[in-house]
Amino acid sequence: GAVVSQHPSWVICKSGTSVKIECRSLDFQATTMFWYRQFPKQSLMLMATSNEGSKATYEQGVEKDKFLINHASLTLSTLTVTSAHPEDSSFYICSAPKGRASYNEQFFGPGTRLTVL
Amino acid sequence: GNSVTQMEGPVTLSEEAFLTINCTYTATGYPSLFWYVQYPGEGLQLLLKATKADDKGSNKGFEATYRKETTSFHLEKGSVQVSDSAVYFCALSDQDGNQFYFGTGTSLTVIP
Repeated sequence: GAVVSQHPSWVICKSGTSVKIECRSLDFQATTMFWYRQFPKQSLMLMATSNEGSKATYEQGVEKDKFLINHASLTLSTLTVTSAHPEDSSFYICSAPKGRASYNEQFFGPGTRLTVL
Repeated sequence: GNSVTQMEGPVTLSEEAFLTINCTYTATGYPSLFWYVQYPGEGLQLLLKATKADDKGSNKGFEATYRKETTSFHLEKGSVQVSDSAVYFCALSDQDGNQFYFGTGTSLTVIP
């Protein structure tokens, strides 16, 4: 298999602060990583596609200035929630495909729970 | 457009009971279909998949058959265990692998 880690696993922050979430592929390189958001009792919502060496692609309705994505290397993508507010509280999950960049073989991180006070 | 409709939960079963979680989809062409499982406190894991019509995916005693005529990919297990308690997500990837859709998830609790 392939392992994807996320850090932190849980973060609590004050309203107005920024929070950075890291997604790492531990034993493979990933030119593409995906960021999802999961609301309570709801399914995953794709937020954006992170591309190594180029700008991220955001899904419709996702504010790119609010959710900054940087794919710094072939094993690391970061999601920064800027000026966080309570409505940003959610479970954020990343995934990375191994091999050809497609959705067919995604490996998921364990998720990061963000709570904004 | 493409979409996945999944049976709502939560589902509570006794150990050794038979499990079915319904999943139907809407898609053009020939999508790939998946079941993911999310155990408490863990990330999503691929449980099984099927990439063409009539394929049967299987893993850990779970099975699902890709039925194009009924646009379904129902998850089944003959005898559930307490350790199967988790949230199960049905998912679809379009035939080009460019779009990925999740169902809403079904929470399963198996009681001894």
